[in-house]
Amino acid sequence: GAGVSQSPSNKVTEKGKDVELRCDPISGHTALYWYRQSLGQGLEFLIYFQGNSAPDKSGLPSDRFSAERTGGSVSTLTIQRTQQEDSAVYLCASSLGTSGGTVLVYFGPGTRLTVL
Amino acid sequence: AQSVSQHNHHVILSEAASLELGCNYSYGGTVNLFWYVQYPGQHLQLLLKYFSGDPLVKGIKGFEAEFIKSKFSFNLRKPSVQWSDTAEYFCAVNDYKLSFGAGTTVTVRA
Repeated sequence: GAGVSQSPSNKVTEKGKDVELRCDPISGHTALYWYRQSLGQGLEFLIYFQGNSAPDKSGLPSDRFSAERTGGSVSTLTIQRTQQEDSAVYLCASSLGTSGGTVLVYFGPGTRLTVL
Repeated sequence: AQSVSQHNHHVILSEAASLELGCNYSYGGTVNLFWYVQYPGQHLQLLLKYFSGDPLVKGIKGFEAEFIKSKFSFNLRKPSVQWSDTAEYFCAVNDYKLSFGAGTTVTVRA
């Protein structure tokens, strides 16, 4: 079956421009996560959506970052006024709810963002 | 808040050598522990998980991990590595979201 998909796979932008990254979770998965993977920094949690609950935005690094999830499915991560330090791979993941952590989380292939 | 530390940044091994990657977590509640692997050019895949029960868990490709509650550890092991095990390995803890360690790059030399 289809896994988590992300688009674009690569994005090169100029400093100061806005970018939008898209995630299509696995069908039926109610939980959706965004992570950032930077060289030498591991995987950094950004934001989490679960059903109709208010998202957990505690990992967003600045107010230039925002995300929305429309209709409980597709999510878009928006970075405004991009900076060079935003260059990273942005990973989306989804799961069937959270069940206190006893769920399997499936990751997409990521979007590699390069800010020149 | 939970946190995860991985002891090794980069491990270089020869084929057939044994591998052990350290992982310690800091979390006061019930822990759900994972090891994920990212092969070159591929996306993150689940290697194994621990939710409860037998603290020695077996995963794919001959990997296993042992949960030692008293040491807050969840170390990953493989008795004999292959060149194809070259990858980055991430330990993670989950209460409602995954918190990852910094990762360990494993390079297996043929």
